[in-house]
Amino acid sequence: NAGVTQTPKFRVLKTGQSMTLLCAQDMNHEYMYWYRQDPGMGLRLIHYSVGEGTTAKGEVPDGYNVSRLKKQNFLLGLESAAPSQTSVYFCASSSLLRSRQGEAFFGQGTRLTVV
Amino acid sequence: DAKTTQPPSMDCAEGRAANLPCNHSTISGNEYVYWYRQIHSQGPQYIIHGLKNNETNEMASLIITEDRKSSTLILPHATLRDTAVYYCIGPGGGGNKLTFGTGTQLKVEL
Repeated sequence: NAGVTQTPKFRVLKTGQSMTLLCAQDMNHEYMYWYRQDPGMGLRLIHYSVGEGTTAKGEVPDGYNVSRLKKQNFLLGLESAAPSQTSVYFCASSSLLRSRQGEAFFGQGTRLTVV
Repeated sequence: DAKTTQPPSMDCAEGRAANLPCNHSTISGNEYVYWYRQIHSQGPQYIIHGLKNNETNEMASLIITEDRKSSTLILPHATLRDTAVYYCIGPGGGGNKLTFGTGTQLKVEL
């Protein structure tokens, strides 16, 4: 039982390049989330998904796209990376049960640098 | 947006209880209060949550006031490994759209 796994763990991109971050969970959770965390700041929600095939915008969605084709996977895409997207990206998942929705499990993060 | 207020930082001596407060005065009757912590750039870790009653698990205790406008996370015997940023998530920030604020930086010292 791996929980939430993010790949890659580190990446350096050049401005304008594209990439996809992969999040996989093995807990059969309905809800999945992508956050970014800048140095010294709290987490900000980028996009989230309440089930397979559905996605929704969070607090800071601009410059990112997501897809949830399979229940266990949530992909975050950067079509044209910018230095402002240098950050640590965290994926999380949680249960459908209302009393457990806020009990999220987080991955260990992807450290992305855009130069 | 999550409407919680936490002190930016707190210190605690190792072995003593750490009491971390959170104000969530706009919380509605059916919203849970969740607590997380983040140890030095790792992914946040769920600690505990509650609705009305006080809760306890192997990590901590959660005391929620009767009017539900504030809560306190208690680490009964803080250790150096409890040094972390602690996040309280409350009104509008729970459910399926977790919203984190800036949290409280707890520093446990010898």
